[in-house]
Amino acid sequence: LAKTTQPISMDSYEGQEVNITCSHNNIATNDYITWYQQFPSQGPRFIIQGYKTKVTNEVASLFIPADRKSSTLSLPRVSLSDTAVYYCLVGDTGVDSSYKLIFGSGTRLLVRP
Amino acid sequence: DAGVTQSPTHLIKTRGQQVTLRCSPKSGHDTVSWYQQALGQGPQFIFQYYEEEERQRGNFPDRFSGHQFPNYSSELNVNALLLGDSALYLCASSPTGLESTDTQYFGPGTRLTVL
Repeated sequence: LAKTTQPISMDSYEGQEVNITCSHNNIATNDYITWYQQFPSQGPRFIIQGYKTKVTNEVASLFIPADRKSSTLSLPRVSLSDTAVYYCLVGDTGVDSSYKLIFGSGTRLLVRP
Repeated sequence: DAGVTQSPTHLIKTRGQQVTLRCSPKSGHDTVSWYQQALGQGPQFIFQYYEEEERQRGNFPDRFSGHQFPNYSSELNVNALLLGDSALYLCASSPTGLESTDTQYFGPGTRLTVL
């Protein structure tokens, strides 16, 4: 059962900033929040990961409020090649501390010219 | 440095047959996880291997089994194939199985079609 909720789809235009918000009300204390990008018939690609506050890398920013019950992936100035499915996920740590990813259905982002 | 590799790329089988999919992890990674992704859905966790043993398992029947070799490569075996097993099978590797922050790197997947 997915532990995250995110919009099914979003539309944007080239050059705009896109913010995708994810809800994870039952996030555990030791869970990190990770975002992946996936193109059709390819494996998911890691975008960014964070625990709290703000994380930024060369492709995106991740904003996490203090209660950690949600997070927002921000993609600055999207291009057509950013059209993909974006997954927000939290981990699931087993009793032996092993770690697995639980994917939801993702957000299908369509970037228009 | 090669990333995660999977073979074969595509595979067509008939109902009742058995299939073996292979995965080589990214260099330096010792943990391998397998996922099944049906068309239009997110990947579903099958199981994870670390130190040649299955560590965690998702909600998949015993028809799905796996193995990890001393070089950390892994195989996914599916017996008695059903039409519903048609999917993209993804392998992901990570550097250790003991840290909750591990980033998992995915391979390109194997597209299995069951007729």
